[in-house]
Amino acid sequence: SSELTQDPAVSVALGQTVTITCHGDSLRSCYASWYQQKPRQAPVCVLSGENNRPLGISDRFSGSNSGTTASLTITGAQAADEADYYCNCRDSSGFYVFGSGTRVTVL
Amino acid sequence: EVQLVQSGAAVREPGDSLKISCKGSGYSFSSHWIAWVRQMPGKGLEWMGIIFFGDSETRYSPSFQGQVTISVDKSLNTAYLQWSSLKASDTAMYYCARLGTDSSNWSYFDYWGQGTLVAVSS
Repeated sequence: SSELTQDPAVSVALGQTVTITCHGDSLRSCYASWYQQKPRQAPVCVLSGENNRPLGISDRFSGSNSGTTASLTITGAQAADEADYYCNCRDSSGFYVFGSGTRVTVL
Repeated sequence: EVQLVQSGAAVREPGDSLKISCKGSGYSFSSHWIAWVRQMPGKGLEWMGIIFFGDSETRYSPSFQGQVTISVDKSLNTAYLQWSSLKASDTAMYYCARLGTDSSNWSYFDYWGQGTLVAVSS
């Protein structure tokens, strides 16, 4: 199955660290990319491939991949990081599947 | 500057046809793929399909195969998503996104359109 599963919601205290995980068989052969979406806005990529951050993305975002799990870590979470986060991976059929999404709340 | 500009919101009735667009600028179109992504109200992102501007090769998610048609007009640098007969369940925000590659040569969606809201109601 090319489904990608994420925890629906996590919370983090301001300034603390939170890790979001993404699980799926296709992650064995794919580095997940991660997208941040704030209300009423288009998604924005915060991490791609082997821990690469697009221009303008804070170095508070980092990632890792191991087996069937990909992780996105936000270090020193800020209020601006409160958003929905989605992983994405290209499966063996060439389809770019999104994860189910995780809502991050900064307390 | 790379930009993807989508057509405006559309309100239709069930059974209507519709074609929405995504116009690119600021980059070489023929060497990139453009994907369409659906987001139903209050729900997550769903990858619908992708098209290569160079030769119009298209792949559809099994969930959307036969339900929509993705096409391009190279002369207008524009990608399209169309329905022949809309249903109320097609009500959603639709995004187009360009597939780019990072420094490690992994693909990711590097630029997104602003979204097109499609509302289907009688």
